[in-house]
Amino acid sequence: AQSVTQPDIHITVSEGASLELRCNYSYGATPYLFWYVQSPGQGLQLLLKYFSGDTLVQGIKGFEAEFKRSQSSFNLRKPSVHWSDAAEYFCAVGADTGFQKLVFGTGTRLLVSP
Amino acid sequence: DAGVTQSPTHLIKTRGQQVTLRCSPKSGHDTVSWYQQALGQGPQFIFQYYEEEERQRGNFPDRFSGHQFPNYSSELNVNALLLGDSALYLCASSQTSGTYNEQFFGPGTRLTVL
Repeated sequence: AQSVTQPDIHITVSEGASLELRCNYSYGATPYLFWYVQSPGQGLQLLLKYFSGDTLVQGIKGFEAEFKRSQSSFNLRKPSVHWSDAAEYFCAVGADTGFQKLVFGTGTRLLVSP
Repeated sequence: DAGVTQSPTHLIKTRGQQVTLRCSPKSGHDTVSWYQQALGQGPQFIFQYYEEEERQRGNFPDRFSGHQFPNYSSELNVNALLLGDSALYLCASSQTSGTYNEQFFGPGTRLTVL
């Protein structure tokens, strides 16, 4: 069964600094990987996804993520954080079963300091 | 396109009661998945409906049931509510096809059980 680990519960970054959120997955085949963002009291918004091909994927709001099969990782990055990026970030893996079930990590809460 | 819509936004129930949550999928989507997100946790897959049938189910008791209508909208029913059922319930829609398709999430229904 697939699983996702987000080792950082909270991360604080200064506005304008770079950001990297870690995600490790466990899945036997080539995974479908996603990063979602959730603002307080809101649903989930897809930032980016990896299905196949180029291992560096670009997303919305200036985010990117790199798929590293050897490390079973899919870390999310942003070169310069804005105060509006403060939110909860979830990494998820989808199984290639045709049923499209998503398994989420426990999330990383990003705090942005002035 | 209104995207995925859910109703109601908030709901307060007491233990032992029953509740019904509703979801309308994004236009063109035929598959609806339900997730439970407890406070401070990532979403957990409850079940998925396609062609008016439950196609896959997560590790949730039979108190959780659902339905999909011919117009692809869906309901989530929870019987004999427990305090632990308090959570944000997210609906996600997608289109079943030969390749993996991303899920679009609604804003959620916040259920509080007293």
